[in-house]
Amino acid sequence: EDQVTQSPEALRLQEGESSSLNCSYTVSGLRGLFWYRQDPGKGPEFLFTLYSAGEEKEKERLKATLTKKESFLHITAPKPEDSATYLCAVPGSGYALNFGKGTSLLVTP
Amino acid sequence: DSGVTQTPKHLITATGQRVTLRCSPRSGDLSVYWYQQSLDQGLQFLIHYYNGEERAKGNILERFSAQQFPDLHSELNLSSLELGDSALYFCASSVSGVNTEAFFGQGTRLTVV
Repeated sequence: EDQVTQSPEALRLQEGESSSLNCSYTVSGLRGLFWYRQDPGKGPEFLFTLYSAGEEKEKERLKATLTKKESFLHITAPKPEDSATYLCAVPGSGYALNFGKGTSLLVTP
Repeated sequence: DSGVTQTPKHLITATGQRVTLRCSPRSGDLSVYWYQQSLDQGLQFLIHYYNGEERAKGNILERFSAQQFPDLHSELNLSSLELGDSALYFCASSVSGVNTEAFFGQGTRLTVV
């Protein structure tokens, strides 16, 4: 069965303190690895899609990378407004996305 | 704004009742997905429609059903509601049903009392 595991469950950073979030997956034939950001009580907001090992994508302070077994979301010099839950997902057998439980990030001033 | 519209935003109802949640996808998107999010379960896939046809089912209870209409909007019907059905229900849409990013609405918060 396809699985997505995210770590850590929660992360607290000081403003400017860079770190990485991990998403490991077990799928038979990866058809994309998706990253989303979710603010409390809101719908997930699409960030990136990665399709092949070695691929990288960047958006402001975020950079997503992909290997054959995991993806990392690197956050460089985070700001308090980066506080959110970050979700990763892979397509299931029916192409709907299967989500991990997320990493809750808190960035303090 | 993702372009996906869900109504209502909040819904409070009693156990045993039936409710209908509505979703209008982004213009041009043919796929609609429904997800349930509760505190302990995370985002759980319920059902996927593509251009009016059911494509896949996830962890959807028999008390729940959905459909996608010719104008591509979708409705999720929840019946015989139980306290445990209280959750955020999200609709997402994508251009196709294959390997493309999905864009989420702001959700309907359902509270069953």
